[in-house]
Amino acid sequence: AQSVTQLGSHVSVSEGALVLLRCNYSSSVPPYLFWYVQYPNQGLQLLLKYTSAATLVKGINGFEAEFKKSETSFHLTKPSAHMSDAAEYFCAVSDFGGTSYGKLTFGQGTILTVHP
Amino acid sequence: NAGVTQTPKFRILKIGQSMTLQCTQDMNHNYMYWYRQDPGMGLKLIYYSVGAGITDKGEVPNGYNVSRSTTEDFPLRLELAAPSQTSVYFCASSPVSDTQYFGPGTRLTVL
Repeated sequence: AQSVTQLGSHVSVSEGALVLLRCNYSSSVPPYLFWYVQYPNQGLQLLLKYTSAATLVKGINGFEAEFKKSETSFHLTKPSAHMSDAAEYFCAVSDFGGTSYGKLTFGQGTILTVHP
Repeated sequence: NAGVTQTPKFRILKIGQSMTLQCTQDMNHNYMYWYRQDPGMGLKLIYYSVGAGITDKGEVPNGYNVSRSTTEDFPLRLELAAPSQTSVYFCASSPVSDTQYFGPGTRLTVL
């Protein structure tokens, strides 16, 4: 079975500060890992994904994440927060193998607040 | 390209009523999924489908049913609505072994 833990249900940063959203996963097979963003009253939009290629993955809007197998982590970072980054962020894992059929297991989400 | 569309956007049901949440995708994706989102709980998979005529249960299927008669449509049926089914429901689709694309969601309240 797979699982995802997002450390911190709420993160608050100042505009221009570093954004760090933490995600740890558990998987019995090599994982595919995703970060999605959800703006208020909208669906989920893919930020970036790791699918066993480069361990440092760059996504949209200046976000990136690094896959660290030894730490079973996939933390999301952005060097400088912008007001428009305020949203809820979800980490998700899938194995895309066997009978998983791409099913995603999500973390509980982290709400990012950006202060002026 | 419309992507994944869901109707209705909002709905209030009385306990015991039934309804169907509609989901349509125009990307010719084989895989489709239904999730529910509850505050602080992330998204939980209700049902999924890997092609027309093929569906299977996810993590939280009780109280729901699905069908997939075409590649494009994947409706979710709620029978005998209960307050525990108050949630936001998301439909998603993906090509085989790739990113899932999400619809805008349906906000359902059961009173």
